[in-house]
Amino acid sequence: GEDVEQSLFLSVREGDSSVINCTYTDSSSTYLYWYKQEPGAGLQLLTYIFSNMDMKQDQRLTVLLNKKDKHLSLRIADTQTGDSAIYFCAVSDSSYKLIFGSGTRLLVRP
Amino acid sequence: DAGVIQSPRHEVTEMGQEVTLRCKPISGHDYLFWYRQTMMRGLELLIYFNNNVPIDDSGMPEDRFSAKMPNASFSTLKIQPSEPRDSAVYFCASSLTGVSQEKLFFGSGTQLSVL
Repeated sequence: GEDVEQSLFLSVREGDSSVINCTYTDSSSTYLYWYKQEPGAGLQLLTYIFSNMDMKQDQRLTVLLNKKDKHLSLRIADTQTGDSAIYFCAVSDSSYKLIFGSGTRLLVRP
Repeated sequence: DAGVIQSPRHEVTEMGQEVTLRCKPISGHDYLFWYRQTMMRGLELLIYFNNNVPIDDSGMPEDRFSAKMPNASFSTLKIQPSEPRDSAVYFCASSLTGVSQEKLFFGSGTQLSVL
């Protein structure tokens, strides 16, 4: 089945850019998502990209998709302390099932 | 709308007891999902419903787990009997037409501890 992998931890300084990476195995993945989970809360959709796109930008967030390498990344510009959270990559083949990665914990240092 | 509402927020029970988790999806959403989150296995989809009908329950770990959706505004996930390895955070989520093009809205989760 589909496997989605992420690095577990990322630490950056406030004001720097953060880049969170994700790899997946199923080339038929049609929709790719980034979710954010703050402590004690559920997941919140940040952004998503269709597989026919290479890039999507939304304010401080930039999503890059390399279909050949099955690699998805999320870049957060001007990272703030409020961005500290766990970020989940998820992929779907349009069957209404999302497969989530294990999450990357982002720590923003003042 | 208040979002997806789950209860209780925290549940502590003893092994062998029955546990019932509750979820109220966002009004008008056709899809409802139950996920389990653990450190070891991450987020796992247990079951999802479309228009109150269970569509895929292949993620339900054992017969001890059951889920119902008697109407469009309420769903339950029951574990009977509960075991310590069931300890996890259980999330309910809903979406309007399915996850492929619509947002998946998550509740705040139920933290379950089975002693």
